[in-house]
Amino acid sequence: GAGVSQTPSNKVTEKGKYVELRCDPISGHTALYWYRQSLGQGPEFLIYFQGTGAADDSGLPNDRFFAVRPEGSVSTLKIQRTERGDSAVYLCASSLMSGAGYTFGSGTRLTVV
Amino acid sequence: KNEVEQSPQNLTAQEGEFITINCSYSVGISALHWLQQHPGGGIVSLFMLSSGKKKHGRLIATINIQEKHSSLHITASHPRDSAVYICAVGSSNTGKLIFGQGTTLQVKP
Repeated sequence: GAGVSQTPSNKVTEKGKYVELRCDPISGHTALYWYRQSLGQGPEFLIYFQGTGAADDSGLPNDRFFAVRPEGSVSTLKIQRTERGDSAVYLCASSLMSGAGYTFGSGTRLTVV
Repeated sequence: KNEVEQSPQNLTAQEGEFITINCSYSVGISALHWLQQHPGGGIVSLFMLSSGKKKHGRLIATINIQEKHSSLHITASHPRDSAVYICAVGSSNTGKLIFGQGTTLQVKP
């Protein structure tokens, strides 16, 4: 597509539930990044994919968070046993290669109640 | 101390004023990005620069690699420029971004 698409745009879930957030990058972009932005804060890095592999997952806060990119295009961020502190906007960005210009998606606003 | 520091955190200007937002960083970088985020909106990339100066319309971005400092300037500011402006630096190794806290700009008519 023309841009980075993230779905859903909004997600409200109950504490303890499992959620999946999807990112569809620009076709041909090999690098894909997930960031999390809490209210009033700048985005924080979660994980970076180069192709199908997670090249850097040092930003994932704990083992409840997991992300995949099985075919090197669409990526899914998975959060198990959600907690209220997980509430944030989850941003995805892609670039043609690591370090090149980024295109950001509009984000998924996750609210855990 | 944050690896990327922006100043000011908040800025209010009158329409037509010249605006400067500053960014200092303490890590090695491959490139520095200036991003714009409107309330409730996504993030738009304004500039990516690794040296010198870039200009796009009324926006100018400069970087001094030796001093680890960058500035974003807006000339003839307009109310539609009201947004959060974020400085982010790209890792030399992976390209992942380290973000500043953002500068909230309000331009009054």
